[in-house]
Amino acid sequence: DAKTTQPTSMDCAEGRAANLPCNHSTISGNEYVYWYRQIHSQGPQYIIHGLKNNETNEMASLIITEDRKSSTLILPHATLRDTAVYYCIVPPLYNTNAGKSTFGDGTTLTVKP
Amino acid sequence: DGGITQSPKYLFRKEGQNVTLSCEQNLNHDAMYWYRQDPGQGLRLIYYSQIVNDFQKGDIAEGYSVSREKKESFPLTVTSAQKNPTAFYLCASSNLRTGGEQYFGPGTRLTVT
Repeated sequence: DAKTTQPTSMDCAEGRAANLPCNHSTISGNEYVYWYRQIHSQGPQYIIHGLKNNETNEMASLIITEDRKSSTLILPHATLRDTAVYYCIVPPLYNTNAGKSTFGDGTTLTVKP
Repeated sequence: DGGITQSPKYLFRKEGQNVTLSCEQNLNHDAMYWYRQDPGQGLRLIYYSQIVNDFQKGDIAEGYSVSREKKESFPLTVTSAQKNPTAFYLCASSNLRTGGEQYFGPGTRLTVT
């Protein structure tokens, strides 16, 4: 699957937008970008995914560049409860490997009062 | 109430004993996964299964075994051959036909002494 690169950590002020970047320069044409987050000692939670168009749901927005080599997850009004590790992954499409995902170390987002 | 469950939340075993971790889902998902997480690190894939009676090794399958006799269940056995079994174990499931996002259980923290 396409390798992703994320910053190790980021801080954000409560109430401000948190913008988390991800590089996935080896992504293939039909591979999706998925974002998850993991709050300490819990199972990861799915946030959003996208192919080429920008996506928005009740949790976040996902902006994918036109060349699809990078993306940004946006939490529009970060709260203290958004403090977590955020993972960006690009799982492979082929049948035998479909869904097989590699979760790297992610970005630790700390929202500060 | 649909979801994915893992039991127990905490498990303690003596070195040299095999131990089986339970994972059940009622989401009607075809695919199921087992991950291992060590402190401060990301998730590593142990085994995954896309269909009943079939499963594939992930990145760190040595010392582990799985079975997939029913769609709803994907138990993981940590054998005595696993050299460093103490870790946080996470199970997930996904519907590859509708998007592939993975839904995680709450995890089992295994301590072997």
